Amino acid sequence: DIQMTQSPSTLSASVGDRVTITCRASQTISSWLAWYQQKPGKAPKLLIYKASSLESGVPSRFSGSGSGTEFTLTISSLQPDDVATYHCQQYDRYPYTFGQGTKLEIK
Amino acid sequence: QVQLVQSGADVKKAGASVKVSCKASGYTFTDRYIHWVRQAPGQGLEWMGWIKPYSGGTNSAQKFRGRVTMTRDTSISTVYMELNRLSSDDTAVYYCARDLLGEDDAFDMWGQGTMVTVSS
Repeated sequence: DIQMTQSPSTLSASVGDRVTITCRASQTISSWLAWYQQKPGKAPKLLIYKASSLESGVPSRFSGSGSGTEFTLTISSLQPDDVATYHCQQYDRYPYTFGQGTKLEIK
Repeated sequence: QVQLVQSGADVKKAGASVKVSCKASGYTFTDRYIHWVRQAPGQGLEWMGWIKPYSGGTNSAQKFRGRVTMTRDTSISTVYMELNRLSSDDTAVYYCARDLLGEDDAFDMWGQGTMVTVSS
């Protein structure tokens, strides 16, 4: 199975900060990577697919980059509503696998 | 609007089976794969498998083969996931999720989740 490793596990930042979360795959997955946002008690929400494509309706402060084994999710200017856990997922090979999640908090 | 609505929370004894439903609306049911993903309390997300509503074909993670059955009823736009021989390790929120572009893609719409609690 492909292992997905996110860093950091928790992140505390101030409103307006630029925030970056990293996801590393244990083998190459081309650009078949998605990012999800999950708020407590809620289902995940798709933010980014195919590594850098912004899902419809998602604010433009969210962006994704990378290919192969290294990927990043960037929030250009952190907003209070962005407090959540962020998950990366590879969908290159079965079984699809997720990172362990990054919990983002506001300072 | 597009939505996936799941059945309610369930409590089962170890060794029993659970069947979770996921009703789709707002789009052509047979156009998109439906995946099942679970999340144990305080843990990450775990993909279980998918069903192709058009044909009923399925694919599941090796970990669940022999224990999970995914079916669909096209007349009511509903898919089902049944998990057998439950243990406490199966206590989790179970989600259905729709494939973004039809098959083998990210998940653009999720159900609200179904909490399954397994007690010994």
